[in-house]
Amino acid sequence: GAGVSQSPSNKVTEKGKDVELRCDPISGHTALYWYRQSLGQGLEFLIYFQGNSAPDKSGLPSDRFSAERTGGSVSTLTIQRTQQEDSAVYLCASSPGTGGQPQHFGDGTRLSIL
Amino acid sequence: QKEVEQDPGPLSVPEGAIVSLNCTYSNSAFQYFMWYRQYSRKGPELLMYTYSSGNKEDGRFTAQVDKSSKYISLFIRDSQPSDSATYLCAMFGSSNTGKLIFGQGTTLQVKP
Repeated sequence: GAGVSQSPSNKVTEKGKDVELRCDPISGHTALYWYRQSLGQGLEFLIYFQGNSAPDKSGLPSDRFSAERTGGSVSTLTIQRTQQEDSAVYLCASSPGTGGQPQHFGDGTRLSIL
Repeated sequence: QKEVEQDPGPLSVPEGAIVSLNCTYSNSAFQYFMWYRQYSRKGPELLMYTYSSGNKEDGRFTAQVDKSSKYISLFIRDSQPSDSATYLCAMFGSSNTGKLIFGQGTTLQVKP
């Protein structure tokens, strides 16, 4: 019974580079969420997918951030031209649907921008 | 002012103590309330999930929701050193997409 899987678990990159973070949700979960956790800011919502559509992107901090989901399963969060303030833990969660369903989290990708 | 307020602690208690963790919130539309436990370098793990007001018990854990006061609590009975972690409250309303609003988290240490 696999949970939410995220890769890589750690990523160190230089300022200005692009990074891709991957999330494999729990099988059968139609809803997928990305959050960011940083010291002093806590856990912040980034984007929500229902199937392959993203009805709520309101938490994406800038146009350098984008995400997609394919086949109603795997999702990729891309950060272009990374900045030091992008350093954080990026967490993915999935749920069977919306309408009050609880969310289950992966262990996150710890991103460090040098 | 944040939508959800949670005392960050740290909170240190002796093994066997009863622990009380609390959050207050401002948005009366919130209807679903969760408590997550997060160990260092791990993702949040769902502990308790409640809808609307009332109590819910699961083993040593009891969650309480008081919507009239906009106040939620998590009680841990007979606390163990393995309960040492950060506890996050989270909530959302039925009218949105399920986007969770989190408290800042309370760090708990249970000393043997």
